[in-house]
Amino acid sequence: DIQMIQSPSSLSASVGDRVTITCRASQLISNSLAWYQQKPGKAPKVLLRTAFRLHSGVPSRFSGSGSGADYTLTISSLQPEDFAAYYCQQYYVTPYTFGQGTKLEIK
Amino acid sequence: EVQLVQSGAEVKKPGESLRISCKGSGYNFPNYRITWVRQMPGKGLEWMGRIDPSDSYTDYSPSLQGRVTISADKSISTAYLQWNSLKASDTGIYYCARQPHRDAMDVWGQGTTVSVSS
Repeated sequence: DIQMIQSPSSLSASVGDRVTITCRASQLISNSLAWYQQKPGKAPKVLLRTAFRLHSGVPSRFSGSGSGADYTLTISSLQPEDFAAYYCQQYYVTPYTFGQGTKLEIK
Repeated sequence: EVQLVQSGAEVKKPGESLRISCKGSGYNFPNYRITWVRQMPGKGLEWMGRIDPSDSYTDYSPSLQGRVTISADKSISTAYLQWNSLKASDTGIYYCARQPHRDAMDVWGQGTTVSVSS
C-alpha cells in the first residue's frame, strides 16, 4: 500500500493567515492526489483534484502544488469557515489511501 | 442535483449482520464507481473499497478483505455495504462517495452511523 504522510497533524492559526499543509507519498503518484475538507459532523468535501485543480465552487484562496511524491495545500488567507480537518488522498493505485489528517484550529 | 443518499443509523449487537445502502440520483449511476470510506470515532478517513456498478467489479482494501462485501444494483441506482458478523470495532461512520475514473471522490453521501455494542 502507498503510505501518505501528512503534516502537521494539527495547526493553530488566525483569520487572515496563510497556511500550508503537506503530504508525502511513499512512492510517486503522478499528481493523482486530492485534498478534502471535513467539518465536524459533516461528510468530507473535495477541494482540489489532480493535485492542483480546484473543484467547482471552491474559493480561489485554496490552491495545490507539488509533483512526484510531495504535495502541498495552501490557504492564502484563512476565513472563519476554513477551520476544519483536511485530508490528502492518493488515487494512483488501490487501496486509495488517505493521509492521517490535519486539524486546523483557531488561534 | 447530483446526490448520494445513505440509509439511516443502525444499532446492532456483535455477531449480527447488516447491510447499509447508498442511492444515487441526478446522474447516470453505472458511469461512476462508488467508494466506501470508514471513519472510526474521532479518527481519520479510511478507504474500504469500491465497486463499478456497470459490471459489479469490486476492489477492497487488503485490511478489510473478507470482513465486508460491497455490491450494487444498477437498476435502482443503489450500492450496498454488508457485514455478515459485526464486531464492536466496526463502530463508526460509513460514507459512500462517487468516484469518476482516475479522479477524486466528487460527491459524498451524508454518512451512516453504525454502532455495535453488546
